[in-house]
Amino acid sequence: KAGVTQTPRYLIKTRGQQVTLSCSPISGHRSVSWYQQTPGQGLQFLFEYFSETQRNKGNFPGRFSGRQFSNSRSEMNVSTLELGDSALYLCASSLNGDTEAFFGQGTRLTVV
Amino acid sequence: AQSVTQLGSHVSVSEGALVLLRCNYSSSVPPYLFWYVQYPNQGLQLLLKYTTGATLVKGINGFEAEFKKSETSFHLTKPSALMSDAAEYFCAVRVSGSARQLTFGSGTQLTVLP
Repeated sequence: KAGVTQTPRYLIKTRGQQVTLSCSPISGHRSVSWYQQTPGQGLQFLFEYFSETQRNKGNFPGRFSGRQFSNSRSEMNVSTLELGDSALYLCASSLNGDTEAFFGQGTRLTVV
Repeated sequence: AQSVTQLGSHVSVSEGALVLLRCNYSSSVPPYLFWYVQYPNQGLQLLLKYTTGATLVKGINGFEAEFKKSETSFHLTKPSALMSDAAEYFCAVRVSGSARQLTFGSGTQLTVLP
């Protein structure tokens, strides 16, 4: 059974640009959550999607957005990138959000 | 709101020694508790979980944790450390029936000495 797949694994972007990250959940999982991991702030929740609807959102500015498609695949977008957005972005999938979450390998975003 | 405190950002043990990583949580309602492990440049791997029922939970790679409601703790243990256990460990809490997000502790870096 394939795990959670995140693409790309590494990204380098310039300040002010925008970026889109992709996450394919485990087959049959309908809930996808996104987390940001930085050395200073640790692991912080961004948002959670279920059946193409955002059910919960963390305390991040509006520059961070996401969506989920009918096949449960999810994308997150960050616009007007800032140096502080450099982080490991992790995607997690679960059956319905109430069961355990399984994480992907992450996308390492570096903003220069 | 829930929160998680991991005591000790760095823990060192000798190979073959007991591993004890501490986690205390704060939650006004019954929590679901998790331990994850992260190896360098990797995502998080679920070690074990507590939802309801038996308070002693066994996970993968010989790890186990005990939910103690009176102490609001969920410490992770392993009787005999292996070199391959060296990694960062995260305790996480999710409040049952509520916002479907995990709140993580700040992590504990485990070093295993030969």
